[in-house]
Amino acid sequence: KAGVTQTPRYLIKTRGQQVTLSCSPISGHRSVSWYQQTPGQGLQFLFEYFSETQRNKGNFPGRFSGRQFSNSRSEMNVSTLELGDSALYLCASSPEGGSLRETQYFGPGTRLLVL
Amino acid sequence: LAKTTQPISMDSYEGQEVNITCSHNNIATNDYITWYQQFPSQGPRFIIQGYKTKVTNEVASLFIPADRKSSTLSLPRVSLSDTAVYYCLVGGHGGGFKTIFGAGTRLFVKA
Repeated sequence: KAGVTQTPRYLIKTRGQQVTLSCSPISGHRSVSWYQQTPGQGLQFLFEYFSETQRNKGNFPGRFSGRQFSNSRSEMNVSTLELGDSALYLCASSPEGGSLRETQYFGPGTRLLVL
Repeated sequence: LAKTTQPISMDSYEGQEVNITCSHNNIATNDYITWYQQFPSQGPRFIIQGYKTKVTNEVASLFIPADRKSSTLSLPRVSLSDTAVYYCLVGGHGGGFKTIFGAGTRLFVKA
């Protein structure tokens, strides 16, 4: 099976702009989670989607949003970009996401640089 | 979700066994312990998962004492390619993921 794919891999934006990142989970996986990774804060959970519904949310401002489509593909959007949004954004998928007993499969990430 | 504490960094030499311990004092009865490995600019990768006693796979072993308040990831005969950050996660509740990764342990393997 193909792994989790994320597009684009690299992105440069300026402050105030918005950005949309895309994630295609492993075929058959219904749960998609998003994470932000920065040197200062480490890996932080953004949100999780399951069956087109946001099931869990981390402690991020409303500028960070996401959605999931009927084919389980997911997008996340960051509006009004700030310099501090520069990070590696990781997407992970799992079959059901019902519990931490399930393995999460991570994509390669999208590296976002905000200037 | 149970909070975890790991050493920030560890150094080792090729061929040695490396043990990384994670403390999780408030682990719940139905929580599992999972370890992930992350290389620079890549997503984390699952290594091993356990509930109690010992679990072994082709990559590592996981030792969990009876009180389950800590766990030890054991990497046998490490190589330079094992240089990475290792994360210990504790959880197991239903209702989807709200994963807290923590700072992880940065392992540096020297020749």
